[in-house]
Amino acid sequence: SQTIHQWPATLVQPVGSPLSLECTVEGTSNPNLYWYRQAAGRGLQLLFYSVGIGQISSEVPQNLSASRPQDRQFILSSKKLLLSDSGFYLCAWSWGAEYTFGSGTRLTVV
Amino acid sequence: ILNVEQSPQSLHVQEGDSTNFTCSFPSSNFYALHWYRWETAKSPEALFVMTLNGDEKKKGRISATLNTKEGYSYLYIKGSQPEDSATYLCAFLGAQKLVFGQGTRLTINP
Repeated sequence: SQTIHQWPATLVQPVGSPLSLECTVEGTSNPNLYWYRQAAGRGLQLLFYSVGIGQISSEVPQNLSASRPQDRQFILSSKKLLLSDSGFYLCAWSWGAEYTFGSGTRLTVV
Repeated sequence: ILNVEQSPQSLHVQEGDSTNFTCSFPSSNFYALHWYRWETAKSPEALFVMTLNGDEKKKGRISATLNTKEGYSYLYIKGSQPEDSATYLCAFLGAQKLVFGQGTRLTINP
């Protein structure tokens, strides 16, 4: 069966520090992968999606970047975090119309 | 810009009452419409994936309908219970990405 792992669950980082959130998928090949964010008081916003290794589409301009170095690995990064990067980050994978979400990372930038 | 709108933004309902809310989405490039139950900072819980115009789906006291020609879906909850309190998200799937509405926050008053 397919599973999705996302870590860490919570993270507190100072402003200006780098960020790396990782998401890995098991039990499937060539999935579409996604990063979503919920900022305070808002819904889930799509940040990046990837349909294959090295292929990244960015949905909104921001201080973050994404990479897909392997088929089932999706990484969300920042070189220097801003206060506004605080939020809840969700990784997801899809096959056809079915979506599966990770357990999320709560990021607090202080 | 792909627009997925949900209304109302929030709703307070007495325990035992029935309620419904709306999701509107683009009527072009439609692949599927998802409904999720979501508690902040948690992974969304999938309720329905709807793909065909005229679809009606039911899960216990919750049901949903879909009209792809006019671009709307309704979610119904019959006999609301306190445990139904949550945010209900719809999401439009088209062109390889799932785009969420802002959600309807439902509060059930005992």
